[in-house]
Amino acid sequence: AQKVTQAQTEISVVEKEDVTLDCVYETRDTTYYLFWYKQPPSGELVFLIRRNSFDEQNEISGRYSWNFQKSTSSFNFTITASQVVDSAVYFCALSERYGGATNKLIFGTGTLLAIQP
Amino acid sequence: EPEVTQTPSHQVTQMGQEVILRCVPISNHLYFYWYRQILGQKVEFLVSFYNNEISEKSEIFDDQFSVERPDGSNFTLKIRSTKLEDSAMYFCASREQSTTEAFFGQGTRLTVV
Repeated sequence: AQKVTQAQTEISVVEKEDVTLDCVYETRDTTYYLFWYKQPPSGELVFLIRRNSFDEQNEISGRYSWNFQKSTSSFNFTITASQVVDSAVYFCALSERYGGATNKLIFGTGTLLAIQP
Repeated sequence: EPEVTQTPSHQVTQMGQEVILRCVPISNHLYFYWYRQILGQKVEFLVSFYNNEISEKSEIFDDQFSVERPDGSNFTLKIRSTKLEDSAMYFCASREQSTTEAFFGQGTRLTVV
């Protein structure tokens, strides 16, 4: 079965601290895709990153970095030097290559990140 | 930058009424989706649409729900007889291919009273 677990319901840190959001997934497929989305207080879902299962290279984009480890089925997200504008709910999602005709996204329950000034 | 647009942003309706939520996906995308998010909960898949037909639907997507792509640009979700538990944020999404990233609209907040 496909499943995404985000065990951290809420995280609160002080601005400029680093913070890591955990994501653990389950899938039977050998080909799959992992995503992170940000949902700010305004409610929209903003795409952050897509990673396919064959590419285990870590990725860095500015203050954001992602650590993909197939051995532990994890795709963790780190924000370095956090800022108040990073406050949002962050969702991890999984899409299986053979998970149906259109490979729907399966979302985790999200982590509410609050950055205190 | 191309984006998915949804209208209205907020709709209040009485229980038992029909509602239509509208979406304009990104123009060169081929795969279309509706998801919903009950307040404070995770985003749940409702239905996917490809090649002018439903390709997959979840248990939530019962006979009260339907989707259409009437004119090649709009993609609509209709709820025939709304229930209180249909109150949620409804997101439309589109993808260029089935394996690429999905881009979401800003959502329609549906409140059933």
